[in-house]
Amino acid sequence: DAGVTQSPTHLIKTRGQQVTLRCSPKSGHDTVSWYQQALGQGPQFIFQYYEEEERQRGNFPDRFSGHQFPNYSSELNVNALLLGDSALYLCASSFLPSSDEQFFGPGTRLTVL
Amino acid sequence: SQQGEEDPQALSIQEGENATMNCSYKTSINNLQWYRQNSGRGLVHLILIRSNEREKHSGRLRVTLDTSKKSSSLLITASRAADTASYFCATAPITGGGNKLTFGTGTQLKVEL
Repeated sequence: DAGVTQSPTHLIKTRGQQVTLRCSPKSGHDTVSWYQQALGQGPQFIFQYYEEEERQRGNFPDRFSGHQFPNYSSELNVNALLLGDSALYLCASSFLPSSDEQFFGPGTRLTVL
Repeated sequence: SQQGEEDPQALSIQEGENATMNCSYKTSINNLQWYRQNSGRGLVHLILIRSNEREKHSGRLRVTLDTSKKSSSLLITASRAADTASYFCATAPITGGGNKLTFGTGTQLKVEL
């Protein structure tokens, strides 16, 4: 049983570009949350998707958008990249948005030059 | 924004010693969770304690929760070199927030042989 998977592992972009990160939830899970973790900090909640809709959103600008597909996988899109967007992006999945139990993927390391 | 802070920021101990980390948070919670992160990769769930619980054990881990002081502690007994990692506390909101987690700033633990 595969856990949460994320792709790519690492990504290097330049300022102003756009990036798409992908997440496949653990088998049986239908809810995906995205977190941004800057170097030396704790993760910060970006948004959560359930039933293909954004259900909750953290304090992130509209440059951050997402999508959830019918198979429950999810994408995180970031437009007009800034140097400050360099971070580890973590995906977490759960069965229902209310579940206490959620599993994190290994993350995607994004570097913006 | 971060929910609260953890202290110490860094902790270095010898193998076999106990390690204690503290976490403070700001708002009422449904539960508090502790995670481990190795080398800036994915988060591994360690233990969850609910707001109506005061203490919980799991193997070498002991967690306490004091909701009146909005604080928690994680004790790792008989530490091993493999326990070297960053440890984060995370809180889940009491209502309306689903399983959105708000993380602390983390404690870097180094266990030396």
